[in-house]
Amino acid sequence: DAKTTQPPSMDCAEGRAANLPCNHSTISGNEYVYWYRQIHSQGPQYIIHGLKNNETNEMASLIITEDRKSSTLILPHATLRDTAVYYCIVRVAPMNSGNTPLVFGKGTRLSVIA
Amino acid sequence: DADVTQTPRNRITKTGKRIMLECSQTKGHDRMYWYRQDPGLGLRLIYYSFDVKDINKGEISDGYSVSRQAQAKFSLSLESAIPNQTALYFCATSVGANYGYTFGSGTRLTVV
Repeated sequence: DAKTTQPPSMDCAEGRAANLPCNHSTISGNEYVYWYRQIHSQGPQYIIHGLKNNETNEMASLIITEDRKSSTLILPHATLRDTAVYYCIVRVAPMNSGNTPLVFGKGTRLSVIA
Repeated sequence: DADVTQTPRNRITKTGKRIMLECSQTKGHDRMYWYRQDPGLGLRLIYYSFDVKDINKGEISDGYSVSRQAQAKFSLSLESAIPNQTALYFCATSVGANYGYTFGSGTRLTVV
């Protein structure tokens, strides 16, 4: 699986959009981008994933660049409860993965400030 | 009840003791995982299982063993606990064709 690079920490004002970047310059054509978050020592929570098209769900939007070498997770209106560590993970989709488990890096610690 | 339940939530044990951490799930998922998290670090995979008869070592399996007693149960054992195994332990489940992992609430283990 391709490795990812994320900033160690970011701040965001409450109510504003939080844009979390992830660099995955060695991503392969069959690798997906996944985002999870972990709120203060709780179990990580799945947020969203995508291959090459932008994706949106009730939690967030995922913007993947055309060359797929980087992506941005967008929380459109950040709240204090969004304060967490956000993990960007790149891996082959489960049906093609040969059963490869998720590998977590250190992630980005997002602090939402009132 | 939680989809993925870990017991105990907190445990303090002495060096050299054997300890078992338990995980049970009600999601009907085939795949189960044990991860470890040290302060300020990401999660590291200890063991994983894709069905009852399948056990695989992860990145940091030394000093640990697992048992998949049933589809819904996956236990992690420390045969002889040592202080550097002090960490937060998470169990997770997934479905083969599903992209999301469901994590338990974690077990905070302290070895003194």
